[in-house]
Amino acid sequence: ETGVTQSPTHLIKTRGQQVTLRCSSQSGHNTVSWYQQALGQGPQFIFQYYREEENGRGNFPPRFSGLQFPNYSSELNVNALELDDSALYLCASSRMDRVIGETQYFGPGTRLLVL
Amino acid sequence: TQLLEQSPQFLSIQEGENLTVYCNSSSVFSSLQWYRQEPGEGPVLLVTVVTGGEVKKLKRLTFQFGDARKDSSLHITAAQTGDTGLYLCAGQFNDYKLSFGAGTTVTVRA
Repeated sequence: ETGVTQSPTHLIKTRGQQVTLRCSSQSGHNTVSWYQQALGQGPQFIFQYYREEENGRGNFPPRFSGLQFPNYSSELNVNALELDDSALYLCASSRMDRVIGETQYFGPGTRLLVL
Repeated sequence: TQLLEQSPQFLSIQEGENLTVYCNSSSVFSSLQWYRQEPGEGPVLLVTVVTGGEVKKLKRLTFQFGDARKDSSLHITAAQTGDTGLYLCAGQFNDYKLSFGAGTTVTVRA
């Protein structure tokens, strides 16, 4: 148990729809990162939020957007869903530690299927 | 595109045997982490290595960080069926995002 929770656990959408995924951070953590993991691949970094501001973004189009709230929970929004968006979406919470680098604690993920 | 190359992609061994998984990059990491992921779950952190040449042991698991901080290995001694899973290495470069390898799927047969 990492203390990081995600909802929903599974979701089925159709192409063109919009989806919102949610993540609650581990207590004491101020940073949330989102990753997309396609079947048979390692997670790919989408973006990171630190104290409610975006702190870096991977190679994902603008239809992937996010929010971080004052309690450090977070949302990932994806507009105009495409078939290739089908994947496991992982969030990871952490506390910035400039000496050792972040240790990120992952939630169980949300499995999204786009038909 | 994966910046980190993991090998082998798949590994199937008998319980009691040893195994080694490798993680390589052409870039220098500021730190490297190893995770294990089981089906339907998120990755679980096993270890973080920071110093070149560092060796860390976690029971039957031994993690080594290359002197140049470009490569790492994970060695499991006397594997057990509970070691079955997807092993992922993840490197941090000059920013705070993690760059993952594609993973090694390890199956330990009883």
